[in-house]
Amino acid sequence: QKEVEQNSGPLSVPEGAIASLNCTYSDRGSQSFFWYRQYSGKSPELIMFIYSNGDKEDGRFTAQLNKASQYVSLLIRDSQPSDSATYLCAVNRVFGNEKLTFGTGTRLTIIP
Amino acid sequence: GAVVSQHPSWVICKSGTSVKIECRSLDFQATTMFWYRQFPKQSLMLMATSNEGSKATYEQGVEKDKFLINHASLTLSTLTVTSAHPEDSSFYICSASVTNSPLHFGNGTRLTVT
Repeated sequence: QKEVEQNSGPLSVPEGAIASLNCTYSDRGSQSFFWYRQYSGKSPELIMFIYSNGDKEDGRFTAQLNKASQYVSLLIRDSQPSDSATYLCAVNRVFGNEKLTFGTGTRLTIIP
Repeated sequence: GAVVSQHPSWVICKSGTSVKIECRSLDFQATTMFWYRQFPKQSLMLMATSNEGSKATYEQGVEKDKFLINHASLTLSTLTVTSAHPEDSSFYICSASVTNSPLHFGNGTRLTVT
């Protein structure tokens, strides 16, 4: 079992709709959770991070965390073509950023 | 926000030569930097953790004599791929952080070994 699992996609969503990206992790001791966006040929850029169970909203993005189910998701509202990218989920055992474990990413395509 | 600069963005070298990649934190001091490698359509894999003023900590399976890391100052870490071979061709990404803050990545270096 992979430590961090994501559906590789591609996930196609019409422009203006909600894109839902999911991630599960195996280590129950994980404490911090991150979503990064990576455009082709570029390095990842941080979208959101979440530490506590529940929802965290930032603009069009909402991260959802359920530690009991070992599940973290990212919702993108009002999807735009510029949101088309690979989204990487990452987890860590500590509150912070050392030695992040990444999933393989979900490729998202927003259809105009 | 935290800015991490990486240089060069891409490099092509011949098999057997060495290549140095620089990673700089531009607006903050980074006691720790991380070096990742990403093969096509795969996830980021941590290679090593670079600590200022001390030896790097390498992940299992990463050859420390092949991937030399130097972190001489709080704003600069370098990765040298020695005696590069085609299988070392990859996307190398550094990252740095302020304590207890999310990682920020450099823009990456695409290495092609011919």
